[in-house]
Amino acid sequence: GAVVSQHPSRVICKSGTSVKIECRSLDFQATTMFWYRQFPKQSLMLMATSNEGSKATYEQGVEKDKFLINHASLTLSTLTVTSAHPEDSSFYICSAREAKGTGNQPQHFGDGTRLSIL
Amino acid sequence: GQNIDQPTEMTATEGAIVQINCTYQTSGFNGLFWYQQHAGEAPTFLSYNVLDGLEEKGRFSSFLSRSKGYSYLLLKELQMKDSASYLCAVRDSNYQLIWGAGTKLIIKP
Repeated sequence: GAVVSQHPSRVICKSGTSVKIECRSLDFQATTMFWYRQFPKQSLMLMATSNEGSKATYEQGVEKDKFLINHASLTLSTLTVTSAHPEDSSFYICSAREAKGTGNQPQHFGDGTRLSIL
Repeated sequence: GQNIDQPTEMTATEGAIVQINCTYQTSGFNGLFWYQQHAGEAPTFLSYNVLDGLEEKGRFSSFLSRSKGYSYLLLKELQMKDSASYLCAVRDSNYQLIWGAGTKLIIKP
């Protein structure tokens, strides 16, 4: 089945640090990738939709200058949390949908990145 | 607005059957997905429904009624490893996934 690799799985760093998270589709091409954030015991919150070769589309309330997204190729998207602060601590999850086929393609998720800002 | 409703928590016994309901109100409909999410892990895809009726996949089945804006996930022969959150998500007219808050399923021996 389709595999999405997300790296790193866990980051602990000091306030003010910028953190980069990578999301790769390993065995399929993904023109669109999605970045989610999930706080404990809450549902997934879509942060942005990453489109290969163009600017990401951010959800309302998500600061695009703080959460930089680069979708450099059909298999790689990165999320950089700039100047992270403790309130940015969360579980960040990427997902990708195969480019081929009809709209019934599910999103496949990476394993998530647990970010802890001290 | 768009809304997905599912129970917050359910408890069932190992070996039994449990049904998790999901009702939705979205702008358009292009399919409904069920995902399983274990604590601290990312969601994994379980099932997809776009037409009315039942989709069976092993111990798991998913049902959809578009006229009622309703779906359920049926889990049979429950195992302890089925303890997880189950997320209902609907793809709207813009092909955006709208997520429910998830149902935490607790399996007791």
